[in-house]
Amino acid sequence: DAGVTQSPTHLIKTRGQQVTLRCSPKSGHDTVSWYQQALGQGPQFIFQYYEEEERQRGNFPDRFSGHQFPNYSSELNVNALLLGDSALYLCASSLSSGVTPYEQYFGPGTRLTVT
Amino acid sequence: GIQVEQSPPDLILQEGANSTLRCNFSDSVNNLQWFHQNPWGQLINLFYIPSGTKQNGRLSATTVATERYSLLYISSSQTTDSGVYFCAVEALHTGTASKLTFGTGTRLQVTL
Repeated sequence: DAGVTQSPTHLIKTRGQQVTLRCSPKSGHDTVSWYQQALGQGPQFIFQYYEEEERQRGNFPDRFSGHQFPNYSSELNVNALLLGDSALYLCASSLSSGVTPYEQYFGPGTRLTVT
Repeated sequence: GIQVEQSPPDLILQEGANSTLRCNFSDSVNNLQWFHQNPWGQLINLFYIPSGTKQNGRLSATTVATERYSLLYISSSQTTDSGVYFCAVEALHTGTASKLTFGTGTRLQVTL
């Protein structure tokens, strides 16, 4: 049973550039959430996708956008990168029904460095 | 929004010792999860425990939802237990999405 996978593992970008991060959910899961984790802090919720639509958004600017595909995989796009966007980006998947609805499972993360 | 506080922020134990980590939250919750983040950043699910008590090997957890706290117990600690432990909650009135709000974590170091 494949867990949550993310790509790439590491990424270095320059201020002002754009980046796309990818996530494949755990097998059977239909909901994908994205989190940003700055150094020394807990993860912060960016947004969640279900049925190819954004269901809820955290306190992040419109430079952060996403997409969910029919196979439930998801992308996170960040435009006009700032130095402060340097962080570990975590994808989590969950199932919207079942014994433990909304229990979230996390991928290994993408470490983004903006120079 | 809901507030999540974890204590202690840092903990150093000798191998074989026991410890208790605490998570306080400010509102009713649908979901509470405990995670262990390893040095490579992977968040590993420990417990899904919005209420009650669960045990898994040397780890156990208890959530008292009416008093808005959860405890994670680690017995006979091993060096592989080192890392950061996070408590994360989903507030009861969170709309249609199940977003998790994380505490600031407890950094555990187990020494020989």
